[in-house]
Amino acid sequence: ETGVTQTPRHLVMGMTNKKSLKCEQHLGHNAMYWYKQSAKKPLELMFVYNFKEQTENNSVPSRFSPECPNSSHLFLHLHTLQPEDSALYLCASSQGGTGERYGYTFGSGTRLTVV
Amino acid sequence: ELKVEQNPLFLSMQEGKNYTIYCNYSTTSDRLYWYRQDPGKSLESLFVLLSNGAVKQEGRLMASLDTKARLSTLHITAAVHDLSATYFCAVDDMRFGAGTRLTVKP
Repeated sequence: ETGVTQTPRHLVMGMTNKKSLKCEQHLGHNAMYWYKQSAKKPLELMFVYNFKEQTENNSVPSRFSPECPNSSHLFLHLHTLQPEDSALYLCASSQGGTGERYGYTFGSGTRLTVV
Repeated sequence: ELKVEQNPLFLSMQEGKNYTIYCNYSTTSDRLYWYRQDPGKSLESLFVLLSNGAVKQEGRLMASLDTKARLSTLHITAAVHDLSATYFCAVDDMRFGAGTRLTVKP
C-alpha cells in the first residue's frame, strides 16, 4: 500500500449505470488528482483539487463528476459512460501548494470496463 | 499546450548493457519527475529533480535535468531483468510523457 487507497479495484458497469470511484489518502496531503490511463493516451490528467477546491478540469466530459469533501477523500462519480471510457483510473495525492518537492503518490487504480 | 515527449517509446535491451531514455518538454519547468510502473500496478516515484543541473542516482538508474534544454535523461547502467517496466517522466503540473516500455532480456 502506498498511502493512497482506491476502491473498487475492478468495476464493470453498463452504459446506463451510475457508479462512484473512491480515493482516500492518509498522508496529510492537500492536493488530490484523478488520471485516466488507457492504451490510446497513457496518462491523462482529468481533475485537480487543491485544499478541497477544484483547480483544474481538463475538458473532461460531464459524465465524469468529481467530488472532494475533504483533503483526504476524492470521488469520481460516473454516469451514462461510453465503452471508450474503459480504462484504468488512477488517483494521486501530493502536499499541494507551489513547489512539489516530494513528488506525487499514486493509488493502485480502478480498472473500469464499460459494457 | 505543454507537450512532454519521451523516446524511445519501446526499448528492448540485453542484460548488462547501458542505455538512456530521453524526456523533452515544450515549456519552462523547474521540476521533473520520473516514475516506474510495473504491469497491472500503480506508479512508483523514482526521482524528483528540482533544479537545473540536478542529478540523482539510485542503484542502476541515474536521472538528470537540464532546464535550459528542456530535457531530462534517465540513464540505465548494466541493466538487469528487474528493471523491466514502463518509465514515465512528468513536469511541473503533472502532465506525463507517453512512457517508455523497457524490456531487459537475459
